[in-house]
Amino acid sequence: EAGVAQSPRYKIIEKRQSVAFWCNPISGHATLYWYQQILGQGPKLLIQFQNNGVVDDSQLPKDRFSAERLKGVDSTLKIQPAKLEDSAVYLCASSLSRNEQFFGPGTRLTVL
Amino acid sequence: AQSVAQPEDQVNVAEGNPLTVKCTYSVSGNPYLFWYVQYPNRGLQFLLKYITGDNLVKGSYGFEAEFNKSQTSFHLKKPSALVSDSALYFCAVRDIPGTGNQFYFGTGTSLTVIP
Repeated sequence: EAGVAQSPRYKIIEKRQSVAFWCNPISGHATLYWYQQILGQGPKLLIQFQNNGVVDDSQLPKDRFSAERLKGVDSTLKIQPAKLEDSAVYLCASSLSRNEQFFGPGTRLTVL
Repeated sequence: AQSVAQPEDQVNVAEGNPLTVKCTYSVSGNPYLFWYVQYPNRGLQFLLKYITGDNLVKGSYGFEAEFNKSQTSFHLKKPSALVSDSALYFCAVRDIPGTGNQFYFGTGTSLTVIP
């Protein structure tokens, strides 16, 4: 079974630029999550999709972050414009029902 | 509110000795509890989970965890530590069924196994 795929693995941008991350979940997993993990901290949920609908985006900074999952499969997370404090690893995960989540390798974002 | 706490930022243990990584939780109902491990520059990997049933849960790589409802704890254990177990460990709790599927992660415990 293929795992959760994410790209790119690394991204370096300057502040005020835009960036997008892509995630392809495990086939058949209806629930998809985006997390932000700042160095030394645990993952923080940004947004959760159930198929192509948003279940929870209460911690997503909506003035600069957006995410979509149009066909209920893969998803993109965008930051526009980026700030220095957005430097983090962005993790995508998927799950089947209420079972454990499977994580992708993450995208390490550095904002200069 | 649902939450999980990992009281130790760092745990050091000698190779071959038993290890324990602590986790306590706070949930409104019956918890779904999980342990994940993160190796450098890697995503989180699932180790084990408690949903219901036997309080002692066995997982990957020889790890196990004990659910203790009275102490609201879910400590991760391994009888004999390996150097390759050195990594970052996260405890997570899922909110009560029917109210969503959000996970709450602890802040992580860095485990170092000393040869």
